[in-house]
Amino acid sequence: KAGVTQTPRYLIKTRGQQVTLSCSPISGHRSVSWYQQTPGQGLQFLFEYFSETQRNKGNFPGRFSGRQFSNSRSEMNVSTLELGDSALYLCASSPGQANTGELFFGEGSRLTVL
Amino acid sequence: QQQVKQSPQSLIVQKGGISIINCAYENTAFDYFPWYQQFPGKGPALLIAIRPDVSEKKEGRFTISFNKSAKQFSLHIMDSQPGDSATYFCAASSKGAQKLVFGQGTRLTINP
Repeated sequence: KAGVTQTPRYLIKTRGQQVTLSCSPISGHRSVSWYQQTPGQGLQFLFEYFSETQRNKGNFPGRFSGRQFSNSRSEMNVSTLELGDSALYLCASSPGQANTGELFFGEGSRLTVL
Repeated sequence: QQQVKQSPQSLIVQKGGISIINCAYENTAFDYFPWYQQFPGKGPALLIAIRPDVSEKKEGRFTISFNKSAKQFSLHIMDSQPGDSATYFCAASSKGAQKLVFGQGTRLTINP
């Protein structure tokens, strides 16, 4: 089985721009979660989607949004980029049943905001 | 109350030694405690996990010890190898919530 695929792997944006990151989960997985990883804050939960519905949400401003498509693929969007949004954005998928906790992570999209 | 506190931040162990990483939590609703391993340039990968109905779980050289009353859990890596050099994250989640709260991570270096 192919793993979780994230695109793009690297991108550079300037303040005020917006960015869209894409995630293709493992085949058959219906839950997709997004995490932000920074040296200072570590790994922080952004949101989780299951069957096209946001099921859980972290404590991030409304500039961070996401969606999930009928094929379970997911996108996250960050609008009005700030320097502090520079981070590795990780997508993780799981089968989605009652909480097993096991997440399968992609290699991430590294965003640099200048 | 949602935090998971992890220590130490970095750890250097000689090859063949025992690596020990500790985590503590406050939220008694947490009922799943995984450990993830992350190599540079890669995403975290599940190493081993435990639920609070057992006090210890062992998989190969990796053991989780869990103390429910103290709200602490730890990862022990026996016979540590240079290939174990990575960043380790403890995490916790609540029943019904597909959402992990991570510790700050421990950068483990195994010297040959």
